[in-house]
Amino acid sequence: GAVVSQHPSWVICKSGTSVKIECRSLDFQATTMFWYRQFPKQSLMLMATSNEGSKATYEQGVEKDKFLINHASLTLSTLTVTSAHPEDSSFYICSARERGDTDTQYFGPGTRLTVL
Amino acid sequence: RKEVEQDPGPFNVPEGATVAFNCTYSNSASQSFFWYRQDCRKEPKLLMSVYSSGNEDGRFTAQLNRASQYISLLIRDSKLSDSATYLCVVLSPRAFSGGYNKLIFGAGTRLAVHP
Repeated sequence: GAVVSQHPSWVICKSGTSVKIECRSLDFQATTMFWYRQFPKQSLMLMATSNEGSKATYEQGVEKDKFLINHASLTLSTLTVTSAHPEDSSFYICSARERGDTDTQYFGPGTRLTVL
Repeated sequence: RKEVEQDPGPFNVPEGATVAFNCTYSNSASQSFFWYRQDCRKEPKLLMSVYSSGNEDGRFTAQLNRASQYISLLIRDSKLSDSATYLCVVLSPRAFSGGYNKLIFGAGTRLAVHP
C-alpha cells in the first residue's frame, strides 16, 4: 500500500515552454502533498506544501507564479513549471501524506526535467 | 548553518565491512528523525526511523543523541546492494515551519561497497 505515482518520469522541453507534472496517491487519500526539487549532488529541497482544496504554501525563495501548484482532489496534485529555463532543469519529487498521519510521507518516483 | 548536516563521503568500503554515518541537526525542538536511502536517479526510500532508545533492523542500527543533536547509522556486514546515498532526515515541528510538519533533508552520504 501507500503508492505514489508521478507522470511523466522524464521530460525534455524547450526554453520558454510550460511543463506539467502530476502526482497521484494510488491507494490512499492524501490531504497534503509536498513538492521537492533536487539538483545534482544536493539534498532534496522543499518547494511547496499543498493541501487539498486550498492554496499551496511556498517556501522562501520559490516563485509561486512560476511554479503553479494545484491540489484539486485527495489523490492528485499537479506542479506546472511555467516558462521553463535551463536553470529549472532538476529532479522534481512529490510526496503525499495520508489523512490522519502527521509524520509519514510517501514519495513518488520523481520527474527528471531537462530544459534545453 | 544548515539545519541537517552530513559528511558527504564517499565512503568506499569492501564487502563485509562495518560503516558508520553521522548527522547533526540544529533545531533542538525536532521530534522525529529518519534515515532514508536514495539510489541514483531514484526517489528516497525510508530505511528506518530513529528513536532515542536506539533501534536495530537486521544489519542496520540507528541511534539518536538528543543532548548532542546527533544521529548515527551503523551498517554491519556491508553488501554490494547497500551502495547508495544515505539521507539523514529530521521532521521540523510545525511551530518552526509555518504550521506544517516539514521534512528537512541532509545532503546525503554516499556509500560505495566494492567486492
